[in-house]
Amino acid sequence: DQQVKQNSPSLSVQEGRISILNCDYTNSMFDYFLWYKKYPAEGPTFLISISSIKDKNEDGRFTVFLNKSAKHLSLHIVPSQPGDSAVYFCAASAWNSGNTPLVFGKGTRLSVIA
Amino acid sequence: DGGITQSPKYLFRKEGQNVTLSCEQNLNHDAMYWYRQDPGQGLRLIYYSQIVNDFQKGDIAEGYSVSREKKESFPLTVTSAQKNPTAFYLCASSSGAVPTSEAFFGQGTRLTVV
Repeated sequence: DQQVKQNSPSLSVQEGRISILNCDYTNSMFDYFLWYKKYPAEGPTFLISISSIKDKNEDGRFTVFLNKSAKHLSLHIVPSQPGDSAVYFCAASAWNSGNTPLVFGKGTRLSVIA
Repeated sequence: DGGITQSPKYLFRKEGQNVTLSCEQNLNHDAMYWYRQDPGQGLRLIYYSQIVNDFQKGDIAEGYSVSREKKESFPLTVTSAQKNPTAFYLCASSSGAVPTSEAFFGQGTRLTVV
């Protein structure tokens, strides 16, 4: 059973507009969440993270929001740029349960159209 | 330059043969991981090691083996028992420090069984 779910396999957004990528999780022990960006035939690169003690973390154009009661997080990219086109993976771990390995969702392919 | 190196980038194997994928890191990270990516499946954990001479099975360990004799190295052997080995393999490492640090990924090895 998937513990981290990204229900939208793909998303298309116009350049300059906001991209919102969503992620849901089922394991209430997860307390640390990360977003990774991946290009084809390359390894994922870390983008932004959030701990469960926060509900928002911002880094430049990227903001991650966490709603613990809904077990939902989202990544906002604004403004979206063509170079943002990639697959985005949501990941989670249960650090307080022993720094468990990251559990990944299936990814959302973002296409930013110029 | 610190980083994590996987080799080779592309690997072809005949059915029935074992093959070993290399992963080396010079980040002085304690924890190392192997993930497998298949189309539409996201990243699934094969094995991980949080300390030298110790490792644990992930979600899809059957048909794989690992060793962790040195902190810098975490090779993965894909054995002939792995029924569907063609995939993109990703190695990662993390410091395991408090709080959970992001995992850094290598560039991946694409294994094709011919």
